[in-house]
Amino acid sequence: DGGITQSPKYLFRKEGQNVTLSCEQNLNHDAMYWYRQDPGQGLRLIYYSQIVNDFQKGDIAEGYSVSREKKESFPLTVTSAQKNPTAFYLCASSISSGASTDTQYFGPGTRLTVL
Amino acid sequence: AQKITQTQPGMFVQEKEAVTLDCTYDTSDQSYGLFWYKQPSSGEMIFLIYQGSYDEQNATEGRYSLNFQKARKSANLVISASQLGDSAMYFCAMREGVSGGSYIPTFGRGTSLIVHP
Repeated sequence: DGGITQSPKYLFRKEGQNVTLSCEQNLNHDAMYWYRQDPGQGLRLIYYSQIVNDFQKGDIAEGYSVSREKKESFPLTVTSAQKNPTAFYLCASSISSGASTDTQYFGPGTRLTVL
Repeated sequence: AQKITQTQPGMFVQEKEAVTLDCTYDTSDQSYGLFWYKQPSSGEMIFLIYQGSYDEQNATEGRYSLNFQKARKSANLVISASQLGDSAMYFCAMREGVSGGSYIPTFGRGTSLIVHP
């Protein structure tokens, strides 16, 4: 079955630690995205990547970093510089980001809690 | 200014009845896409339906239809014959052209739908 997987489902982090959230897709999509969702809020874009070895900052990139070394994978690192990282993180992919018709498909999400 | 506005924080509907979830949008682009997603308590965002700005007919997908009124910039989701499993958050999203040719979606704040038996 094609889809998007995220791991872990739940993640706990101590203050000052970096953590990496995994996102893998086998849909052969070029574009991948990371969103953050806070309670009662919509989705805010952290980073997106249109192609391997290239990515762009979204609206709230500060304190986060990404890499796109393989088409299938787009890991997100939450660094210690992110002051309020407790949130639900969603990864998505689409065929490309170059058309208004492209539909995003989402993974199951990772819930990050800072202790 | 918000690009996607969902004015109903919460909605209640009786099982088997129809319900309309409101979405208005703001864009100066001629080419854009509108999407609705469902987010159950598990958290995953599930794609429901898509409407293109040039589509003349309203999109339909099973029990979901999109009431697209371009002049009013509204894209309301209609769920017919509500089921208990429809209880979830619903998000409206829009893709529009930005500089560089990338269409990055923006999302509304969502509407919580509760279906009563």
